[in-house]
Amino acid sequence: DAGVIQSPRHEVTEMGQEVTLRCKPISGHDYLFWYRQTMMRGLELLIYFNNNVPIDDSGMPEDRFSAKMPNASFSTLKIQPSEPRDSAVYFCASSLRRSYNSPLHFGNGTRLTVT
Amino acid sequence: KNEVEQSPQNLTAQEGEFITINCSYSVGISALHWLQQHPGGGIVSLFMLSSGKKKHGRLIATINIQEKHSSLHITASHPRDSAVYICAVGAGGTSYGKLTFGQGTILTVHP
Repeated sequence: DAGVIQSPRHEVTEMGQEVTLRCKPISGHDYLFWYRQTMMRGLELLIYFNNNVPIDDSGMPEDRFSAKMPNASFSTLKIQPSEPRDSAVYFCASSLRRSYNSPLHFGNGTRLTVT
Repeated sequence: KNEVEQSPQNLTAQEGEFITINCSYSVGISALHWLQQHPGGGIVSLFMLSSGKKKHGRLIATINIQEKHSSLHITASHPRDSAVYICAVGAGGTSYGKLTFGQGTILTVHP
């Protein structure tokens, strides 16, 4: 299994530009999570999906952020327009909920820099 | 007050030492996760537990639900254990997946 695959690994963009982060979860996993990590705030949950349906997006900072999961093998996190304060590492993770005790599998993250 | 508190924030040890990292939480949970993040940035799930104790190699994780406390122990520490260790708690039921993270413990093991 290739694990959770995120792309790109690094993204540098200018303020005001649209940014799209991509994630391919582990095949068969029914939960997908988007997290953001910054020095100031640590890891934070942005949104998560169950069977491609968004369950909780209360962590999405504002309307500039949107996430989709059109099918079980692909999700995107979009920021439009981007701002310097969006600079962070964005992680995608997936899990299979057999019980409450299902481990998370993280991707390698996308390091976003907005100048 | 944060819902998940880790201590210490920074920990330096000599190779071979026994290491303990603590995590206290203030909310009801269904499971507690210990994660490891290496300098390269990748995050690996070490343990997920809701009661008792789990062991994997030189790593041991315990949880006391009544006291809302968990510990991660590393026996015979090695420089390759140097990483950030993150505690996260998750609720169950309809809130499954909503993890709240501690601030992390930076561990450095010197040879």
